[in-house]
Parts: sequence; C-alpha cells; structure tokens
Amino acid sequence: LAKTTQPISMDSYEGQEVNITCSHNNIATNDYITWYQQFPSQGPRFIIQGYKTKVTNEVASLFIPADRKSSTLSLPRVSLSDTAVYYCLVGDSGGYQKVTFGTGTKLQVIP
Amino acid sequence: SAVISQKPSRDICQRGTSLTIQCQVDSQVTMMFWYRQQPGQSLTLIATANQGSEATYESGFVIDKFPISRPNLTFSTLTVSNMSPEDSSIYLCSALDRGREYTGELFFGEGSRLTVL
Repeated sequence: LAKTTQPISMDSYEGQEVNITCSHNNIATNDYITWYQQFPSQGPRFIIQGYKTKVTNEVASLFIPADRKSSTLSLPRVSLSDTAVYYCLVGDSGGYQKVTFGTGTKLQVIP
Repeated sequence: SAVISQKPSRDICQRGTSLTIQCQVDSQVTMMFWYRQQPGQSLTLIATANQGSEATYESGFVIDKFPISRPNLTFSTLTVSNMSPEDSSIYLCSALDRGREYTGELFFGEGSRLTVL
C-alpha cells in the first residue's frame, strides 16, 4: 500500500483558495488518488479522485504531476463550512481496493 | 451512490458486555469494511466483511474480539465483545460501490459512537 504524507493542519481565511498537497512517493502504476472530507461526527465523504493531470468537479480540483508522486487538492474560495479534515488516499491496486487512511489535514477556515 | 445506515448511532455500555452494530446499505455492494476512529485520530481498518465467508482482519484485530457477519450484499454487523474502556471509539461501516471497486471510492455510514464505562 502506498503511504501518504500530508500536513497535519492548515488555516485559511474565508474566500481564499486552499491548496493541500499530499506526497505518495511509492504510488503504483494502477493506483488512483482519492480525497475525502470528514466533518466532526460524520463519516468521510468522497470529494474527488484522479489518476493523472487535472480533475475538476463542482467541489474541488485535483492536480497530479506527471510523476504522480504527489497531488494537490485545491478548494476555491473556502467558507467556514469547509472546516474539516481532508484525507488523501492512494488505493491498493489488484482488482479490489482496501483503503488505508493516513493522518489527514485538519483545515480550519477563519472568518 | 450508495447510502449507508448504521445503528445504533451511539451507545453507552458497561465493561464486559458486548454490543452489535448494524450496517445497512440501500443497494447491493461488492465490498464492505469496518473502521475504527478514536477521538481526534484517523481511521483504522478493522476488517473486510466478505459475503458468504469469514471476514478478513487487519493486524491487531481478531475475530474473537470483533466478530463480523455479512449475510448478504446489503447488510453487515460488527460486534465489539467483552468491552473495556479502551474500546470507546467511533465505529464506521463503509462500502465500495458496485462498478467502482477498482478505483476504491468508498461510501461511509455516519458512525456508531461507543462509550464504555
């Protein structure tokens, strides 16, 4: 399983763009990169997933360089409701995925 | 996407007793998993609940302590046996949506918060 490293915590003011970078140096060829968001007292929620280059949805963008050894989750114009823990995961390849969560990044959005 | 319901959402239990947590998915799913999350910590995978066979446990977790059932493609239970205060935690059920097994997109229940006195 590819191990991930991400900052433990980040602070941002409302309205700013937030970029959270995750390192995954030993990512395998078939692995996908997935980000989850977890609010207090809730289960994690899927945000975005990518394999390479850039992926964008209505919530976030995910930037993955060519070597795929890192990825950056970008949250545009954050609000107080984006305060949460964000987990970067790299899936186990081989036909089924056993997902292992790392430490996550606790994002605090400040008014 | 699948919707997962867990029961109970929270419970307070006495030391030495056992509690069974139920997980119901609103659609058939290939894989189901049980996680534990201690306050302020990340999620730790307990086991994979296999339909029609015994669960596959991660290192540090054993069947006698955390028996798991998976009678069909939409339901699973996790029992926390002979509880001690160290078992106080949030237990989360998750599932891999059909058709997304390879990419590993998980859906989670809201969790069951267990407090052992």
